[in-house]
Formats: sequence, structure tokens, C-alpha cells
Amino acid sequence: DIQMTQSPSTLSASVGDRVTITCRASQSIGTWLAWYQQKPGKAPKLLIYKASGLESGVPSRFSGSGSGTEFTLTISSLQPDDFAIYYCQQYNSYPYTFGQGTKLEIK
Amino acid sequence: EVQLLESGGGLVQPGGSLRLSCAASGFTFSNYVMSWVRQAPGKGLEWVSAISTSGGSTYYADSVKGRFTISRDNSKNTLYLQMNSLRAEDTAVYYCATPPTAATVWGQGTLVPVSS
Repeated sequence: DIQMTQSPSTLSASVGDRVTITCRASQSIGTWLAWYQQKPGKAPKLLIYKASGLESGVPSRFSGSGSGTEFTLTISSLQPDDFAIYYCQQYNSYPYTFGQGTKLEIK
Repeated sequence: EVQLLESGGGLVQPGGSLRLSCAASGFTFSNYVMSWVRQAPGKGLEWVSAISTSGGSTYYADSVKGRFTISRDNSKNTLYLQMNSLRAEDTAVYYCATPPTAATVWGQGTLVPVSS
């Protein structure tokens, strides 16, 4: 199975900051990587698909990059609504696997 | 409106069984691979199972293989998850979802507590 490792596990930042979350795969997954945002009590919301594709309706301050085994999610200027938990997911091969999550907190 | 609506969750005893349903509307259900994803209380997301568009191919996480069965009825636009031999560690919110591509759809989730 492909293991997905996110870093950091927790990130403290302020409104307006530029932040980056990293996701590493235990083997190459091409660009078959998605990023989700989840808020308490809600279903995950897809932000990025195929490593860099911006889901419709997602603000352009969110961007994704990478291929192979290393990927990043960048938020260019944090807004109050962005404080949440972020997950990556590989969908290159079954079983599809998620990273453990990154909690983005207000500093 | 594009929507997935899960149902069938509820308290079940260890060793018991439950069948979850996921009703799709607003899109061509039969064109989509479908998945179940779960989230234990206070924990991260765990992919559980997936099924091909025809239902002819199914995939499972090791943690549920042999105990859970995914199926679909394209005539009813409905996805199912039959869960047998339930354990305390299966306690979670269960979500159904389309693949992570443009315009993905997730349900709101249904809670399955496994406890005596």
C-alpha cells in the first residue's frame, strides 16, 4: 500500500501569511493527488485534484504542485475562513490512502 | 441539485451487521466510480472501499476486507455498504463520494457507533 505523509502535523499562522503544506508518497503516484479541506462536523471539501487542478469555486489563493512522490499545497494569503484541517489523498492505486492531516491554526 | 445522501447509520453492537445506503441525485450515477470513506471520532480520513461503474470490480481497505461488501444499483442510483462482524474500531462517520476529479461530490455522512 502507498503511505502518505504530511508535514507539518500542525501549523500556526496569521491572516495574510503564505503557508505551505507538504505531502510525500512512499512511491511514485504521478500526479494522482488530491487536497481536501475539512472543518469540524463537515464533510471534506475538495480543493485540488490531479496535483494542481483547482476545483471549481475554490479561491485562487489555493494552489497545488508536485509530481512523483512530493507535493505541496500553498495558500498565498491566509484568510480567516482557511483555518481548518487539510488532507492529501493519493488515487494512483487502490487502496487509495490519505495523509494524516495538517491542522492549520490561528497564531 | 447534485447530491449524495447517506442513510442507515445507527448504534450497533460488536459483532453485529448494518447496511448503509447512499442515494445519488442530480448527476449520472452510473458513469461514476463510487467510494466509501470513514472518519473515526477525532481522527483522520480513512478510505474504505470503491466500486467500478458497472459494479463488476470492487476494492477494499485491509481493515475491512472480508467483513464489508460494497455494491451498487444503477437503476436506483444507490450505493451500498454491507458491514458485518462490526468492531468497536469501525465506529466512525461514513461518507460516500465520487472520485477526486473536477466537480466531486461528497455526502454529509452517517454515524455508525459500535458499542455494547
